[in-house]
Amino acid sequence: EAGVAQSPRYKIIEKRQSVAFWCNPISGHATLYWYQQILGQGPKLLIQFQNNGVVDDSQLPKDRFSAERLKGVDSTLKIQPAKLEDSAVYLCASSANYQEHTQYFGPGTRLTVL
Amino acid sequence: SQQGEEDPQALSIQEGENATMNCSYKTSINNLQWYRQNSGRGLVHLILIRSNEREKHSGRLRVTLDTSKKSSSLLITASRAADTASYFCATAIQGAQKLVFGQGTRLTINP
Repeated sequence: EAGVAQSPRYKIIEKRQSVAFWCNPISGHATLYWYQQILGQGPKLLIQFQNNGVVDDSQLPKDRFSAERLKGVDSTLKIQPAKLEDSAVYLCASSANYQEHTQYFGPGTRLTVL
Repeated sequence: SQQGEEDPQALSIQEGENATMNCSYKTSINNLQWYRQNSGRGLVHLILIRSNEREKHSGRLRVTLDTSKKSSSLLITASRAADTASYFCATAIQGAQKLVFGQGTRLTINP
């Protein structure tokens, strides 16, 4: 089966610009997660969707970050405006098991904010 | 402070040796999972151990869980150069429908 797809793989922007990331989860996986991973740290959950509803967005900086999951499949994560501290890898993951949260990750998007 | 904290932060061993990483956590969990991340890649799920289990094996991996001490260990036997990666524990906290990841252990296998 195809894995989790993410694009772009790399993005370089100036601070105050906007950027969007796209994720296509594994077919049939109802749960989708976006994580932020700063260099040398573990992934931090930004937002979790169950189908197209938000389960947890407690750590999403809502003044600048937004995410949506249309029709319960693909998802986009947007940052507007970007700050220097947003430089990180943004990981998308999906899961078929909402109870145990065994997750399959995409390759990530490496964002550099200059 | 982190829910899951791995120890050591970095580990360097010779190929063929065993590698042991530890994870401690603070609150009650439903399960604990270990993931591997190769440089520049996404995370790969390795193994899951439920709160009512004490030990699980998968190939060269052995995971233990001690809920009384709120700790887990991951043992990789007969290490290979391809095992060089960062290893993360992640806890599924009771009452919270999500995983919380630790900071990871960076493992280097020297040929």
